[in-house]
Amino acid sequence: LAKTTQPISMDSYEGQEVNITCSHNNIATNDYITWYQQFPSQGPRFIIQGYKTKVTNEVASLFIPADRKSSTLSLPRVSLSDTAVYYCLVGARMDSNYQLIWGAGTKLIIKP
Amino acid sequence: KAGVTQTPRYLIKTRGQQVTLSCSPISGHRSVSWYQQTPGQGLQFLFEYFSETQRNKGNFPGRFSGRQFSNSRSEMNVSTLELGDSALYLCASSLMRSDVVNTEAFFGQGTRLTVV
Repeated sequence: LAKTTQPISMDSYEGQEVNITCSHNNIATNDYITWYQQFPSQGPRFIIQGYKTKVTNEVASLFIPADRKSSTLSLPRVSLSDTAVYYCLVGARMDSNYQLIWGAGTKLIIKP
Repeated sequence: KAGVTQTPRYLIKTRGQQVTLSCSPISGHRSVSWYQQTPGQGLQFLFEYFSETQRNKGNFPGRFSGRQFSNSRSEMNVSTLELGDSALYLCASSLMRSDVVNTEAFFGQGTRLTVV
């Protein structure tokens, strides 16, 4: 059964670096790993996407080991506005049917 | 440019009724996906349409169906509503990239459906 697993919640402080790891054992061979951020009463918002090694954009970095069975979202110098739920998303093939598998989400709380 | 628009934002229906939700994707986006979000189950993939064809489908009963029109707008229908169908239904649009569905998706604000 394809599944993604991530911590339910995390706390950190303003200015710190936060790393959230997601495990995804059944990721499809040609699929990307994507992370989203969601605030209450809003749809998820794309943060970053990668296939392997390391990807960096203006808001985050994504680290993916060679086996691609996990990924780590890194948020540098977080602020209070980064308090949100973070989801990892991968595609998996089950019985020739491709499905998108979302993690349960990590509720990140940033304290002053 | 305009984002993904979902209508209505809120809906209250009675058990046994049916409901249709609408989604207008970002201009130029031909892929539209639908998701159900509940506190207990999180985000679950319903189905994805591309060029009026259902390309992928999640593990939901046949009561959940959808379609996409030639202008890429999409509708989702749930028949014979059950209390457990109460959820936030999210629509996302994206540009097609190869045959992989998991590309950067832009979400609407969702339709909050309450079944009583």
